[in-house]
Amino acid sequence: GQQVQQSPASLVLQEGENAELQCNFSSTATQLQWFYQSPGGSLVSLLSNPSGTKHTGRLTSTTVTKERRSSLHISSSQTTDSGTYLCAIDPWGDGSFNKLTFGAGTRLAVCP
Amino acid sequence: EAAVTQSPRNKVAVTGGKVTLSCNQTNNHNNMYWYRQDTGHGLRLIHYSYGAGSTEKGDIPDGYKASRPSQENFSLILELATPSQTSVYFCASGDRGHQNTLYFGAGTRLSVL
Repeated sequence: GQQVQQSPASLVLQEGENAELQCNFSSTATQLQWFYQSPGGSLVSLLSNPSGTKHTGRLTSTTVTKERRSSLHISSSQTTDSGTYLCAIDPWGDGSFNKLTFGAGTRLAVCP
Repeated sequence: EAAVTQSPRNKVAVTGGKVTLSCNQTNNHNNMYWYRQDTGHGLRLIHYSYGAGSTEKGDIPDGYKASRPSQENFSLILELATPSQTSVYFCASGDRGHQNTLYFGAGTRLSVL
């Protein structure tokens, strides 16, 4: 089946440090999204980036589709960034997100 | 802001019992989804729907049924609950072109004893 591998599994930072999260996937995907899951469990979409580089706030995502990898860079981390970051792809490559496949996530802890 | 509401938030069920998890969205999205999340796994798709009256099997549909009686409501039904179905369940809604993303509910924590 389709695979989404995220690394590292967990990461601990001091406030102000930068974070680099990786997502590797086993098939060509035309839809790639990063989600944030709070320590309380709620899930929100951070950004959609099927290819190229995309910025929003302190987040930068770079996806190289032909190499089947994406990264999420968090600059100047804050304690409120703590939580789990999930990468998800559309494994059918049809551009929809009806059957997104999720990675297991990277758990980030930012210490004051 | 898109709104997806799940009920109940927590549920304890007995093995062999029937469990119904409910989801309501006020976003007028056509598509709705049920995922489960277990430790060490990402979210896994159970069932999804393209609109009222439609249900489709996701990646792990065995042991689950779904019902979409209206645009707003999407239920997940465990006819004969088993301990292996202990998990956190998330409902989501979305449409292509609607900011191209999914909106999730807060989750339902289900324990089957």
